[in-house]
Amino acid sequence: GAVVSQHPSWVICKSGTSVKIECRSLDFQATTMFWYRQFPKQSLMLMATSNEGSKATYEQGVEKDKFLINHASLTLSTLTVTSAHPEDSSFYICSANHGRRSDEQFFGPGTRLTVL
Amino acid sequence: GQQVMQIPQYQHVQEGEDFTTYCNSSTTLSNIQWYKQRPGGHPVFLIQLVKSGEVKKQKRLTFQFGEAKKNSSLHITATQTTDVGTYFCAGPSSSNDYKLSFGAGTTVTVRA
Repeated sequence: GAVVSQHPSWVICKSGTSVKIECRSLDFQATTMFWYRQFPKQSLMLMATSNEGSKATYEQGVEKDKFLINHASLTLSTLTVTSAHPEDSSFYICSANHGRRSDEQFFGPGTRLTVL
Repeated sequence: GQQVMQIPQYQHVQEGEDFTTYCNSSTTLSNIQWYKQRPGGHPVFLIQLVKSGEVKKQKRLTFQFGEAKKNSSLHITATQTTDVGTYFCAGPSSSNDYKLSFGAGTTVTVRA
């Protein structure tokens, strides 16, 4: 149990376009999901906390207008990278807390974004 | 805010040898978690330590939580090629227990 999926697994886009990444909890409801960014050989950097039915909470230095987060249901959160630029190229990973095992985070497989 | 430091950043180990990765927090942690990320993969939860001085074992992996709940270690004995990957420790953010602050990770490579 506690499986998190992400779609797409990778995406290549042109500079200036927007990219939407979906994160789904497949067999549990997640009131809270987290979005991370990971650059090569670096740690996970939390971008924002996504709460179902309310606005996301962004970490310091993360532009909320550039990284739009929507948590429309208890099983789906989306991250939209707007007007993507090459410096946005990274590995984006979502995670979710399982309701009864709230401390442990279950990670999605990640989305590798390359902006040309 | 709370910061989690992890050393070493890289660990190159001869197959069969032991190694340890260390994690230190600037503040007392309510719990500490360890994750493993295989090359090209995503982090996978290994364990959570909650009690002061707690020691937990998973086969060849031994996890320890310091008495002051500010440091932790992961010790792997008889390293195998399957141990390759990056090991992260993570502690709850001081502002929100559900948010995690990750250490820099220890990337382990194994030579046969």
